[in-house]
Amino acid sequence: GAGVSQSPSNKVTEKGKDVELRCDPISGHTALYWYRQRLGQGLEFLIYFQGNSAPDKSGLPSDRFSAERTGESVSTLTIQRTQQEDSAVYLCASSLGIEAVQPQHFGDGTRLSIL
Amino acid sequence: QKEVEQDPGPLSVPEGAIVSLNCTYSNSAFQYFMWYRQYSRKGPELLMYTYSSGNKEDGRFTAQVDKSSKYISLFIRDSQPSDSATYLCAMKVRQAGTALIFGKGTTLSVSS
Repeated sequence: GAGVSQSPSNKVTEKGKDVELRCDPISGHTALYWYRQRLGQGLEFLIYFQGNSAPDKSGLPSDRFSAERTGESVSTLTIQRTQQEDSAVYLCASSLGIEAVQPQHFGDGTRLSIL
Repeated sequence: QKEVEQDPGPLSVPEGAIVSLNCTYSNSAFQYFMWYRQYSRKGPELLMYTYSSGNKEDGRFTAQVDKSSKYISLFIRDSQPSDSATYLCAMKVRQAGTALIFGKGTTLSVSS
């Protein structure tokens, strides 16, 4: 595909359930980022992956959040025991590398609603 | 004080107007500056990317960076209804592997 692909586009679940969100980066992009966008707020950094290096998890808000990436392909973001404050749009971005000059390109996000 | 401040608007202008969108920042280590456009229920789309003080022009869009004042702007000339969207400023430090720091976004509405 030409761009970053995320699935599902929408997810509604009950409080306390686990959810898994998926991101397919642009082919050839080695760096992958997850952000969260709450209503009326700017994007908040969650985690990033670069190749086989250890991910930077400094933005994850709690230990209920985790993410994995297989090599330089698909990534999944998992939220366990969801809470209502987890309701947000979760955006994935990829870039050619982690060098500061490389721009990040975003998918359309997963809109998560916790009932 | 947040690292990046952006007036959320909303900003409403008639078609053909010149639009000025602005962000201020507090971290002098920011070296790379971006403007993203985000339509409703879509992801942010990169519009402009600059890493030096001064102006960068691309069609109807001009990005301006003033590092001494810690102030960036995006100008849209001859605005069109299709420009109606939320505009997000974003910036990052020189260090590799760092995340973008975003403003909250300004919602723009251009009426025909």
